[in-house]
Amino acid sequence: DQQVKQNSPSLSVQEGRISILNCDYTNSMFDYFLWYKKYPAEGPTFLISISSIKDKNEDGRFTVFLNKSAKHLSLHIVPSQPGDSAVYFCAASQGGTSYGKLTFGQGTILTVHP
Amino acid sequence: SAVISQKPSRDICQRGTSLTIQCQVDSQVTMMFWYRQQPGQSLTLIATANQGSEATYESGFVIDKFPISRPNLTFSTLTVSNMSPEDSSIYLCSATRGSAKQETQYFGPGTRLLVL
Repeated sequence: DQQVKQNSPSLSVQEGRISILNCDYTNSMFDYFLWYKKYPAEGPTFLISISSIKDKNEDGRFTVFLNKSAKHLSLHIVPSQPGDSAVYFCAASQGGTSYGKLTFGQGTILTVHP
Repeated sequence: SAVISQKPSRDICQRGTSLTIQCQVDSQVTMMFWYRQQPGQSLTLIATANQGSEATYESGFVIDKFPISRPNLTFSTLTVSNMSPEDSSIYLCSATRGSAKQETQYFGPGTRLLVL
């Protein structure tokens, strides 16, 4: 039972354009969501998070949008840079924090072309 | 952010043997976790490493196969016992530490395990 899904295995974007990565979830108990970036041979690096009491959170070039009614979140990267090329995972947790168990999506490989 | 190190970074092991993976955090943390990422798959939580008590395992994972220790607030070990090729994965530890501004879960670099 895949409770967090990233339906696009890969995404290719031109440098300077917007990258939009999508994530859907099925468990209505999830109330805290995170995005991680992972380079080969490294552990996931935290990017940005959002609580279910918000519908948007920004941090520099990264913005996460949450649509609770659709059980959908997205990560926008503007402008995209070649160094953003990595695997992006969305993750979800219950209890309003990231202190507990995280359930991850399958990941989306983002490639940003110069 | 928390700095998390893991040892070994990678290993090749024979079927039937056991491997212990160490996870060290640079400062005291509230919670530590162990995840597995099988080839081409997402990260799956194995267990929560509880300080001073037995780990809490997720469905599908058992203590006999994946014994875990957490003797203090900065260190934990995961043992993969009686290994088979199906145990070939990346094993990652994570730790949670919060701040007034932001709380998040940080990950170590992972241990790449290949079982022959």
